[in-house]
Amino acid sequence: GQNIDQPTEMTATEGAIVQINCTYQTSGFNGLFWYQQHAGEAPTFLSYNVLDGLEEKGRFSSFLSRSKGYSYLLLKELQMKDSASYLCAVSASGGSYIPTFGRGTSLIVHP
Amino acid sequence: DTAVSQTPKYLVTQMGNDKSIKCEQNLGHDTMYWYKQDSKKFLKIMFSYNNKELIINETVPNRFSPKSPDKAHLNLHINSLELGDSAVYFCASSHPAGGLEKLFFGSGTQLSVL
Repeated sequence: GQNIDQPTEMTATEGAIVQINCTYQTSGFNGLFWYQQHAGEAPTFLSYNVLDGLEEKGRFSSFLSRSKGYSYLLLKELQMKDSASYLCAVSASGGSYIPTFGRGTSLIVHP
Repeated sequence: DTAVSQTPKYLVTQMGNDKSIKCEQNLGHDTMYWYKQDSKKFLKIMFSYNNKELIINETVPNRFSPKSPDKAHLNLHINSLELGDSAVYFCASSHPAGGLEKLFFGSGTQLSVL
């Protein structure tokens, strides 16, 4: 099976930077994904990492270390609209390559 | 113009009933999925289906069955509903990408079993 762990909740201030961590244990790792889910809405794709390193996409960046089974999502210049759940998901041969999600991190951005 | 649409958005029903949730995608994707999101927001895969293969999460009770009349549709049938089935059910689709499929989700169906 796959085990994905991320903090349940985080708070941050508007304009600040926040890092959301995700650790995973899986067999046959293929890729790691980050999704954003606003309350009452569907998850939407943010980014994916296949190789080690940092992938930057505007205010959002995602990092992967395959040897450590670790990823983080970095959100810069936080805005109130960034308040949402951030879901880490892993694709692996051990899971038939179907994205398996962690429990999500609820991020609250306050003024 | 909605890419992945599912109906109904809300479903309230009694224990023991049988219900269906419909899902359609107009993205031309080959694979469709059903996920269940519980009250703690944990998103768990139930089924993955393309025109060649159905992959079932072994923890899903056989009261749940996916039905695909064609590549653009994957409906979810639930028999003998139980209280624990109350959750939000998300349909999703993706294009083959060698295990790096980006999922496109429908807006969800909130199922409440009374």
